Amino acid sequence: DAGVIQSPRHEVTEMGQEVTLRCKPISGHDYLFWYRQTMMRGLELLIYFNNNVPIDDSGMPEDRFSAKMPNASFSTLKIQPSEPRDSAVYFCASSTSRGLSEKLFFGSGTQLSVL
Amino acid sequence: GENVEQHPSTLSVQEGDSAVIKCTYSDSASNYFPWYKQELGKGPQLIIDIRSNVGEKKDQRIAVTLNKTAKHFSLHITETQPEDSAVYFCAARSDTGRRALTFGSGTRLQVQP
Repeated sequence: DAGVIQSPRHEVTEMGQEVTLRCKPISGHDYLFWYRQTMMRGLELLIYFNNNVPIDDSGMPEDRFSAKMPNASFSTLKIQPSEPRDSAVYFCASSTSRGLSEKLFFGSGTQLSVL
Repeated sequence: GENVEQHPSTLSVQEGDSAVIKCTYSDSASNYFPWYKQELGKGPQLIIDIRSNVGEKKDQRIAVTLNKTAKHFSLHITETQPEDSAVYFCAARSDTGRRALTFGSGTRLQVQP
């Protein structure tokens, strides 16, 4: 398996533009998580899905952020409009509730810079 | 909700020495405590985890200890090597309520050759 795949790896945009981050979880995993990493706040949970259904979005900063999971193999995190304070590394991660392992598999992240 | 505090934020050791990173958590319902290692430009990777029904777990040079009464757990790395240099995160989670991990703020470990 190729692991969790995120795209793009890097995104540079201007304030006010729409940004869409993409994630393909590991096949068969039923949980998907979006985390944001910054120096100041560390790894923060934004939202997570179980079987494509959003379970907890209390970490989504504000209405400018939205996330979808239209099927088991794809999720998007959208920021509209983007602001400089959104600059961070955004990680997608997936896991399975089946079996004994609770391991969370992270993608390589998307480095977002909003100018 | 859960709050996880991690210390120290940076740690420098000589190759071959031991390194210890400590975390405390606030939610007494938490029962799963993993540790992740993050190398530069990569996502965090699980290196060891422990459940609240055990007090200690070892995997080669890495060990984790848990004190549920005091609500703290620690990562111990023995015989450190330069490739152990990375950022380490502790995390906590309960089986009830929110399934997602709450992470500590991270420890940057530098192993000096």
